[in-house]
Amino acid sequence: DTGVSQDPRHKITKRGQNVTFRCDPISEHNRLYWYRQTLGQGPEFLTYFQNEAQLEKSRLLSDRFSAERPKGSFSTLEIQRTEQGDSAMYLCASSLGTYSSTDTQYFGPGTRLTVL
Amino acid sequence: KNQVEQSPQSLIILEGKNCTLQCNYTVSPFSNLRWYKQDTGRGPVSLTIMTFSENTKSNGRYTATLDADTKQSSLHITASQLSDSASYICVVRNNNAGNMLTFGGGTRLMVKP
Repeated sequence: DTGVSQDPRHKITKRGQNVTFRCDPISEHNRLYWYRQTLGQGPEFLTYFQNEAQLEKSRLLSDRFSAERPKGSFSTLEIQRTEQGDSAMYLCASSLGTYSSTDTQYFGPGTRLTVL
Repeated sequence: KNQVEQSPQSLIILEGKNCTLQCNYTVSPFSNLRWYKQDTGRGPVSLTIMTFSENTKSNGRYTATLDADTKQSSLHITASQLSDSASYICVVRNNNAGNMLTFGGGTRLMVKP
């Protein structure tokens, strides 16, 4: 399978714990995005990378959230001191990163986080 | 503020029937509009993309329309199938925001036999 993969698919944690999610983009894709999606809503942008550089972060990305893409390939999203409000689906997407307006983002299956 | 509003929020139709989903947006300047299909527990998958100059685009039984003057789009599904049950998300790209996308809340479609 050469699509975007995410691990784990599901994560249940207790409030106050730290969690880390991993995203493996499509291999030749330069851009990688993280989104958060709550039930019945569309995805909300969190941050994106061009290769290893983190170019933009949403206001939604509080100081408890950190994302990395150390070698410009896979990325990790860490949430520290989780809160119940962090419960959501965390989606990763990747794209070629061309300057074409039709640059397509391909989404992974998501990691569903439940904070008890 | 860039916003994308979709209606209805949810819809139930019988298998074989047609339906139309609506999308209104205030994103400016406009770059393009996509419709995504998101199956439960999966990531969204792109169905169609339309730029400013395109009024209609089809992908099998899916036909999307765009009126850039009124900032409205629709997604028409013909002869619905059970596998069409999913959320359909309208996504608009803003030229001023790099590759940033504004997502609608989606329409949850259920096709019943």
